[in-house]
Amino acid sequence: DQQVKQNSPSLSVQEGRISILNCDYTNSMFDYFLWYKKYPAEGPTFLISISSIKDKNEDGRFTVFLNKSAKHLSLHIVPSQPGDSAVYFCAASAYGDDKIIFGKGTRLHILP
Amino acid sequence: SQTIHQWPATLVQPVGSPLSLECTVEGTSNPNLYWYRQAAGRGLQLLFYSVGIGQISSEVPQNLSASRPQDRQFILSSKKLLLSDSGFYLCAWSASLAEDTQYFGPGTRLTVL
Repeated sequence: DQQVKQNSPSLSVQEGRISILNCDYTNSMFDYFLWYKKYPAEGPTFLISISSIKDKNEDGRFTVFLNKSAKHLSLHIVPSQPGDSAVYFCAASAYGDDKIIFGKGTRLHILP
Repeated sequence: SQTIHQWPATLVQPVGSPLSLECTVEGTSNPNLYWYRQAAGRGLQLLFYSVGIGQISSEVPQNLSASRPQDRQFILSSKKLLLSDSGFYLCAWSASLAEDTQYFGPGTRLTVL
């Protein structure tokens, strides 16, 4: 049973445009959500997070939106740059739980 | 600042051989520690996590085991590797329950032949 779902395995976006990566979750106990970026043969790096008390968090070119009623979050990257080409993992955790549950990832290709 | 190390970076082992991957964290005390495996098309699979010395929680039944002999050391082992153990193994740490962000090491690429 996949509690965190990233339904798009890959996404291609023109450089300079907006990249939107989507994530859905099923566990209503999740209250903290994270996005990680991963290059091949490297460990994932933390990008941005959001607590369930918020519906938006922004950090530079990265914005995460949370829609609790829809159990949906999205990561917006604007403007997209070549270095943004990577696999992006959505993750979630519940208060008091040691574990983070990851989605399967979305591979983002930024086209020149 | 905190740093997480993993070694070796790459490893090629024959089927049936033992395995030992090591992870250490610097710059923090009593971290939560995690082992993940990334296999092609399967995202990040949590294998083990530890909230303290000698405390190991297993997430997925398999022929792997984990140990935490010291506060900032986490070891992933196997007595006999299977072909299906091939993958990219990642160690991660987090500060405490109150802060859920996990920080990952550089990973170990394991190929079992």
